[in-house]
Order: sequence, then C-alpha cells, then structure tokens
Amino acid sequence: AQSVTQPDIHITVSEGASLELRCNYSYGATPYLFWYVQSPGQGLQLLLKYFSGDTLVQGIKGFEAEFKRSQSSFNLRKPSVHWSDAAEYFCAVGGMEYGNKLVFGAGTILRVKS
Amino acid sequence: DTAVSQTPKYLVTQMGNDKSIKCEQNLGHDTMYWYKQDSKKFLKIMFSYNNKELIINETVPNRFSPKSPDKAHLNLHINSLELGDSAVYFCASSHNTAEAFFGQGTRLTVV
Repeated sequence: AQSVTQPDIHITVSEGASLELRCNYSYGATPYLFWYVQSPGQGLQLLLKYFSGDTLVQGIKGFEAEFKRSQSSFNLRKPSVHWSDAAEYFCAVGGMEYGNKLVFGAGTILRVKS
Repeated sequence: DTAVSQTPKYLVTQMGNDKSIKCEQNLGHDTMYWYKQDSKKFLKIMFSYNNKELIINETVPNRFSPKSPDKAHLNLHINSLELGDSAVYFCASSHNTAEAFFGQGTRLTVV
C-alpha cells in the first residue's frame, strides 16, 4: 500500500538549534514530494516541493529538504529554529504513481523551547 | 484575497442532521479536493474533481456527496451525520495535480 512514514511523532528543539524532520515514502520512481506546515487551528501551508532536478530544494521560512532516492527519503531541515516554527509538519507524496492525490504522513509535532 | 476559502469555519450540529460545507478557489485551478483530518491529525483524501468531473472517491460512505457546480467550487454535503464524522475537513485545489493549496479547514463537531 502507498504510505508515507514520519517516524517522529514529537520533536523538541531549543531555539537556535538545528532541526531535521524525517520522511520516507513507500514506492515510486518519480514521486512528487512536499512538506506542509500546520499551525494550531490553521490550514496547511506549503513549505517546499520537489518534482525533479536538483535534489536539494529551498523553501519558505528558511527550510530546505533533500530528496535521496536511494533511501526513499525527503527530510526537512532548518539550520536555526525560531520559536515561531513550533507547529505540526506533514510530509506528503503525490504524482501519477500515487493516483494524482496527496498521501500524507502522520505528522511531526515540533516544540521549540527557549 | 483568500486563494481557497471554505465556509463555515466551525460547524456544530446534532446527530442525524444534514449539513453542507462550501469551498471556492480563485486560483484558476482545474482540480479540487476534499481531505479529512481526524482527531489524530491524520489527513486522508476523500474526493477529487477535475473540471467538474469526479475522479477520486476513496471509499467514503455515500452519506457524503460532493458537488461541483463549476471549476471554482466544490461543495460537500453530508447526510445523517454521525458522531464519527467529527473532524476537520479541508478543501484544496491544484493545477494539473501538482502541489495542492489548502483552505483553512472546517471543524465539524457532531453532538
């Protein structure tokens, strides 16, 4: 079955520290990959996306993600976390191999301590 | 201007009632979606429409009926509401099934 795994349910980091959120997908030779962020009571905002080309993609708010085909991974990173980054982060996969819909991971809740 | 807007934002209703959620996008996209986010924050596709035509229907009870009067609108009607229908429902749109742009969500509470 199509699946997206985010192994960390919760992550807590100190403000100013670096962050990496993990994401693995189950299959697909040419997946479309996304990271979305959801603040409490809000909708989903697209942070970044990967369709093809350079495997390191830059997004909004200082986030980046790297696609590693050999590991079926698309991990999200930020070199220095701000308190306002506290939110829930969702990895998603789409494209024709996923029936032209987004399949989401279960989400990772990021807590930032000062 | 809000790109994908859904109304209402909150909906509290009794079991057995029928309710509708409306969604409109002003992005000129050809594909619209309904996603359901359950109490554990898990997001799952319910329906997808492309140019007013239903293309995805993911084993959703037939009490749920989407309606797309035109490319810019996708409404969700729910009959005979049940407690388990309580969730946040997100509308989204995309162009050529690329990245989806989401509305702010409708929090449905069935009591």
